[in-house]
Amino acid sequence: GAGVSQSPSNKVTEKGKDVELRCDPISGHTALYWYRQSLGQGLEFLIYFQGNSAPDKSGLPSDRFSAERTGGSVSTLTIQRTQQEDSAVYLCASSLNAQAATNEKLFFGSGTQLSVL
Amino acid sequence: KQEVTQIPAALSVPEGENLVLNCSFTDSAIYNLQWFRQDPGKGLTSLLLIQSSQREQTSGRLNASLDKSSGRSTLYIAASQPGDSATYLCAVPMIKAAGNKLTFGGGTRVLVKP
Repeated sequence: GAGVSQSPSNKVTEKGKDVELRCDPISGHTALYWYRQSLGQGLEFLIYFQGNSAPDKSGLPSDRFSAERTGGSVSTLTIQRTQQEDSAVYLCASSLNAQAATNEKLFFGSGTQLSVL
Repeated sequence: KQEVTQIPAALSVPEGENLVLNCSFTDSAIYNLQWFRQDPGKGLTSLLLIQSSQREQTSGRLNASLDKSSGRSTLYIAASQPGDSATYLCAVPMIKAAGNKLTFGGGTRVLVKP
């Protein structure tokens, strides 16, 4: 597709349930990032994938959060046993290459609004 | 740890007035700085990226300056229009981190009144 696609756009779930959020990056982009945007916290980095390398999980807030990227393309962010504090907008972004020195722009999807009741 | 601050948090101006948005960062060892725009319920759109060796970047009515030594960047939007109403965020790559992991400011919410 032309841009980064995320689904679903909105997700309402009950506390304790598991949720899966999907991201389709721009075709050909090797780097993929997940961010979380919540009131009072701003935008926080969660995890990033670069090609076939092991992902950088340094931003994941707890072991209830995990993500995978299949075939170097589509990524799924999974939150197990959701809590109310997980309510936020989850944003996915991709770029052509992850090397910081190349000064590449990030392209963001529209996000998934997650509400945990 | 890098910290990015944007002041003011919100700004309201009449149409036609120039906008000045400020961004400050605590560690000047940055590769670049990006300005993004976010519309309600939408993702972020990259507006301008200034490399560390540059002092400014321009795109249409937008101009962004960078002063690494003082840890500041300013986004100027000339002759503002109601369509410029959005939240503007600045971001810099995390220090000594591989990839393009960004640290974001809290954003400035802009309202341009017709």
